[in-house]
Amino acid sequence: GAVVSQHPSWVICKSGTSVKIECRSLDFQATTMFWYRQFPKQSLMLMATSNEGSKATYEQGVEKDKFLINHASLTLSTLTVTSAHPEDSSFYICSARDPLSGSTNEQFFGPGTRLTVL
Amino acid sequence: AQSVSQHNHHVILSEAASLELGCNYSYGGTVNLFWYVQYPGQHLQLLLKYFSGDPLVKGIKGFEAEFIKSKFSFNLRKPSVQWSDTAEYFCAATQSGGYQKVTFGIGTKLQVIP
Repeated sequence: GAVVSQHPSWVICKSGTSVKIECRSLDFQATTMFWYRQFPKQSLMLMATSNEGSKATYEQGVEKDKFLINHASLTLSTLTVTSAHPEDSSFYICSARDPLSGSTNEQFFGPGTRLTVL
Repeated sequence: AQSVSQHNHHVILSEAASLELGCNYSYGGTVNLFWYVQYPGQHLQLLLKYFSGDPLVKGIKGFEAEFIKSKFSFNLRKPSVQWSDTAEYFCAATQSGGYQKVTFGIGTKLQVIP
């Protein structure tokens, strides 16, 4: 199946700094990628849909100025957490659709990035 | 609003016991349904999916799920679990057609005792 990678797998940063997380589709081109956030003992919450060459679509309640998404190529989307605070500490997961999979809406998930803000 | 609910948040079973994890969705129209598994320290992997046709779907590792439209359910089953099935299981749904947003259930943590 299609492979999605994320980098870094974990990051610790100081409050007030910005952190960039990369999501790559390794063996397919993804026009659409998704960013999720997973809190402990909770499900994945969709943050935004990242579209190659256009602005991301954010879910209600997600601050677009805080969580900057860039999808500059068909294989790379980045999520930048700006001015991070301890409450931003979470597990961030990206996923991508393989356009060749048709209308199945199946998503392929990255391994996730654990962000800890001190 | 579209939602997916999983009834069992934490299940503990002995090896060889049978498993059934409940999943209900609230979507209008035609839906695509998924079960994902997340093993400890690993990323989400697709177990099985339903789009149309036979409502009994077979997935990897001996898992199956049955789509019952009248009950808006898509329960996951396995006749005999193994210790290696210890993981978190997520049910997910999306409207079918085009690129649709996927909604996940809260997840069920399965612990299999040897």
